[in-house]
Amino acid sequence: DTGVSQDPRHKITKRGQNVTFRCDPISEHNRLYWYRQTLGQGPEFLTYFQNEAQLEKSRLLSDRFSAERPKGSFSTLEIQRTEQGDSAMYLCASSPTRAPYNEQFFGPGTRLTVL
Amino acid sequence: SQKIEQNSEALNIQEGKTATLTCNYTNYSPAYLQWYRQDPGRGPVFLLLIRENEKEKRKERLKVTFDTTLKQSLFHITASQPADSATYLCALSYSSASKIIFGSGTRLSIRP
Repeated sequence: DTGVSQDPRHKITKRGQNVTFRCDPISEHNRLYWYRQTLGQGPEFLTYFQNEAQLEKSRLLSDRFSAERPKGSFSTLEIQRTEQGDSAMYLCASSPTRAPYNEQFFGPGTRLTVL
Repeated sequence: SQKIEQNSEALNIQEGKTATLTCNYTNYSPAYLQWYRQDPGRGPVFLLLIRENEKEKRKERLKVTFDTTLKQSLFHITASQPADSATYLCALSYSSASKIIFGSGTRLSIRP
């Protein structure tokens, strides 16, 4: 299967702990996106990479969130000092630059529960 | 800031009928408008994309229209089937390199 993969699929943590999620995009895709989705809402944009460069970051993203994409391959999203309000599904998506329409291929998501 | 409105109430349709979902946006018209399907517990799946200079796009039983005057897109599923039951998300972007903004989605249920 050459789709987008995310790890872990589920994460339960206590408030105040740090968590890190990983996303492996489709291998030939240059662009990688992170979204957060809560129940009954659409995905909310967090940040976006083209290769290893982080091109845009949502103003909604607090300083506790950081994302990296070393070498332009997989990406990690870290949340420091987690809060209960961080509980959500974290989705990763990738898209190829050759497509002019930025069609996005999503992974299965990581569901975070902060107790 | 851009706001996208989709029917928040679930849409219940009899099998075989045409389902029509609405997406309205405020402010500037996007360059691209996309529709995704999302099943519970899974990531969205891309269905169709329409550009601002296109009026209509079709793919099998799916049809999307884009009216920049009304600031609205309609998504149609003809000959609906129970397997079409899912949440459908409207999304827009202003360029091929910009972020995508999603609506909150409309849940569609097709009853046999």
